[in-house]
Amino acid sequence: QKEVEQDPGPLSVPEGAIVSLNCTYSNSAFQYFMWYRQYSRKGPELLMYTYSSGNKEDGRFTAQVDKSSKYISLFIRDSQPSDSATYLCAIRGSSNTGKLIFGQGTTLQVKP
Amino acid sequence: GAVVSQHPSRVICKSGTSVKIECRSLDFQATTMFWYRQFPKKSLMLMATSNEGSKATYEQGVEKDKFLINHASLTLSTLTVTSAHPEDSSFYICSAKTGIRLLQETQYFGPGTRLLVL
Repeated sequence: QKEVEQDPGPLSVPEGAIVSLNCTYSNSAFQYFMWYRQYSRKGPELLMYTYSSGNKEDGRFTAQVDKSSKYISLFIRDSQPSDSATYLCAIRGSSNTGKLIFGQGTTLQVKP
Repeated sequence: GAVVSQHPSRVICKSGTSVKIECRSLDFQATTMFWYRQFPKKSLMLMATSNEGSKATYEQGVEKDKFLINHASLTLSTLTVTSAHPEDSSFYICSAKTGIRLLQETQYFGPGTRLLVL
């Protein structure tokens, strides 16, 4: 079983739709959760960072963590064509190495 | 803030030559940098963890003599692909860890370097 599972998609939605992206993880020791956005041929860009269960909102983006279910989500409201990218969840434990474990990434296409 | 640069952005080289890729944290000091490799439509694969002033820690299956990493300062790490072969062609991305307290640590990524070995 992979430590982090993420549906690779692709996911195609119309402009303005609410997008839900999800990851599950297996190790309850994981404590820090991140979402990165990666455009084609570019490096990943940090979108959201959280370390507690519950919701964290930043503009059109909401990150949700449910530690009891080992489930994390990223919601995008009022999706735009410019949101078309690959979204990667990343998780790390409490060790000081700082190593991240990435999901496979979900490719999102927002159609105008 | 938290900008990471990489140079070059893309490089084409002949088989057997060595290629050096630089990773710089522009507006913060990074005691730890990471090097990843990414294949098309795949996630990031961690190659090694680079700590300033010490030897890099390589992930299982990564040849340390082929992928030389040097972290000479708090803002610069380099990856040298030695005796490159076509199978080394890939997208190489570095990241830098920032934050003093554990809760604030995360990784910021460079724009990546596309390597093509002919």
